[in-house]
Amino acid sequence: KAGVTQTPRYLIKTRGQQVTLSCSPISGHRSVSWYQQTPGQGLQFLFEYFSETQRNKGNFPGRFSGRQFSNSRSEMNVSTLELGDSALYLCASSLYVRNTEAFFGQGTRLTVV
Amino acid sequence: GQQVMQIPQYQHVQEGEDFTTYCNSSTTLSNIQWYKQRPGGHPVFLIQLVKSGEVKKQKRLTFQFGEAKKNSSLHITATQTTDVGTYFCAGVKEWAGNNRKLIWGLGTSLAVNP
Repeated sequence: KAGVTQTPRYLIKTRGQQVTLSCSPISGHRSVSWYQQTPGQGLQFLFEYFSETQRNKGNFPGRFSGRQFSNSRSEMNVSTLELGDSALYLCASSLYVRNTEAFFGQGTRLTVV
Repeated sequence: GQQVMQIPQYQHVQEGEDFTTYCNSSTTLSNIQWYKQRPGGHPVFLIQLVKSGEVKKQKRLTFQFGEAKKNSSLHITATQTTDVGTYFCAGVKEWAGNNRKLIWGLGTSLAVNP
């Protein structure tokens, strides 16, 4: 079974630009969560989608948004990029039933210059 | 808000020494999960603990879930260089309507001197 696929793996953007990251979950998984990871800050939860609906949201500004499609694929968008948005963005998929774990993709490394 | 505190933040050991990381939640959890992230990699699921007082072992790793389901620990016996990485706990809160939330600790980074 294929794992979680995130594209692109690396991205360099300029301040003020916007970016869209993509995540394809494991086949059959309907829940997709997004995390921002920076050194020393652990995994900062952005949002979780299940069946195209946002179920949970973290404490990030409105510049961060996401969506999920009917095939469970998800995209995350960051508008008006700031230098502080440079981070590893991780996507995790799960079955979203009790007692199931999250499967992470390899992440997208975003650098804002 | 709900928090999971994980200590220590960093641990440096000699190969062969033991290592323990602790997670403490401000609220009672439904269950707790542990993940390992190797340097340059992504978090990989290790185990889930569900029952109060549960203890599970995976070779040299021992996981415990407290009686009150508010704290947990991961203990590694006789560390090896392959144990290097960051260990995260994620407290899971579940409630009616198939709702679920993961509350992540900040992780403990383990370095092992050969």
